[in-house]
Amino acid sequence: DQQVKQNSPSLSVQEGRISILNCDYTNSMFDYFLWYKKYPAEGPTFLISISSIKDKNEDGRFTVFLNKSAKHLSLHIVPSQPGDSAVYFCAAISANFGNEKLTFGTGTRLTIIP
Amino acid sequence: DVKVTQSSRYLVKRTGEKVFLECVQDMDHENMFWYRQDPGLGLRLIYFSYDVKMKEKGDIPEGYSVSREKKERFSLILESASTNQTSMYLCASRTVSNQPQHFGDGTRLSIL
Repeated sequence: DQQVKQNSPSLSVQEGRISILNCDYTNSMFDYFLWYKKYPAEGPTFLISISSIKDKNEDGRFTVFLNKSAKHLSLHIVPSQPGDSAVYFCAAISANFGNEKLTFGTGTRLTIIP
Repeated sequence: DVKVTQSSRYLVKRTGEKVFLECVQDMDHENMFWYRQDPGLGLRLIYFSYDVKMKEKGDIPEGYSVSREKKERFSLILESASTNQTSMYLCASRTVSNQPQHFGDGTRLSIL
């Protein structure tokens, strides 16, 4: 049972445009969400996070939006740059697990076209 | 700067062998994690440890065990390796608070 879903395995975006990556979850106990970026042959690196008490968090070119009623979050990257080409994972933490356990989505491969 | 080091980048073993994957972190983090990454399945949690000598099963612990004798080191053990354990293995660590996990670069393990 996939509790965190990224329904788009891949996405291609023109350089300079906005990239929007989506993530849906089913567990209403999730209360903290993170996005990780992964290059080939490297471990994932943390990008941005959002608490369930917020609906938006912004860090430079990256903004995460959370819609709790729809159990949906999205990552916006604007403007997109070639270095943004990577696999992006969303992840969620449930308060039930004492903030220790992350549940990851299956990932979306983003390709930025020069 | 945060550093999580996995002992091997690539490893090839045979079925039935006992395999050890080592992970060391230098941030004095309490929590450590082992994941495997497979195409179309994302990252799945195998085991985690919230303190020395403590361990908890993750989502897919079958066929694996772990050891945490020192705070900085978390070992993943494949008791009798099988071909379905061919995968990318990722170690991570974090503090106890709502902080992101920091990952190592992974070990690509092939079981022949």
